[in-house]
Amino acid sequence: DSGVTQTPKHLITATGQRVTLRCSPRSGDLSVYWYQQSLDQGLQFLIQYYNGEERAKGNILERFSAQQFPDLHSELNLSSLELGDSALYFCASSPPSGRGSLHFGNGTRLTVT
Amino acid sequence: QQPVQSPQAVILREGEDAVINCSSSKALYSVHWYRQKHGEAPVFLMILLKGGEQKGHEKISASFNEKKQQSSLYLTASQLSYSGTYFCGTENTGNQFYFGTGTSLTVIP
Repeated sequence: DSGVTQTPKHLITATGQRVTLRCSPRSGDLSVYWYQQSLDQGLQFLIQYYNGEERAKGNILERFSAQQFPDLHSELNLSSLELGDSALYFCASSPPSGRGSLHFGNGTRLTVT
Repeated sequence: QQPVQSPQAVILREGEDAVINCSSSKALYSVHWYRQKHGEAPVFLMILLKGGEQKGHEKISASFNEKKQQSSLYLTASQLSYSGTYFCGTENTGNQFYFGTGTSLTVIP
């Protein structure tokens, strides 16, 4: 158990809809990262937050947004969903230094029909 | 931004050795290595920091050439449990963390 919690485990929704994925980092970790992994593909970096502030941005679409709350949990919002958004979405957290090993949650599998 | 890994796939017999390479076009602060089993979350193996090398597992080690922005993962005397997809992760000076394209490793009896 990595200590990173992601909910829900599975999401099935229709095109055009909006969903919210939630992540709680390991106790004491301040950084949260979001990654998208399409079927049998690599991990695409979306965005990183550190102690509530956006720290780095990757290949995140404009239809996607994220935030980190004062209690350090993070949410990834995906809107106007398309079939191509179907993927496994991972959240990871890292130690307070902001640099160090990433510990991953078990992911949320999103299926857009 | 995404580092490139090679080879894309490797099939080994138990006890054989393998090397997985990772290279980036950007200046790096650190290189991480992770292993992912199918359908599961990636698991951290080790981190190599600029100016040093850190070994994370007994039969799995890695090197980091800062000047060339390259890292290699060495798996010796492979075991069945080593099977999975290996990703290098590179952290640049802008705090962005990108994973490589992945190397599928299959160890057969």
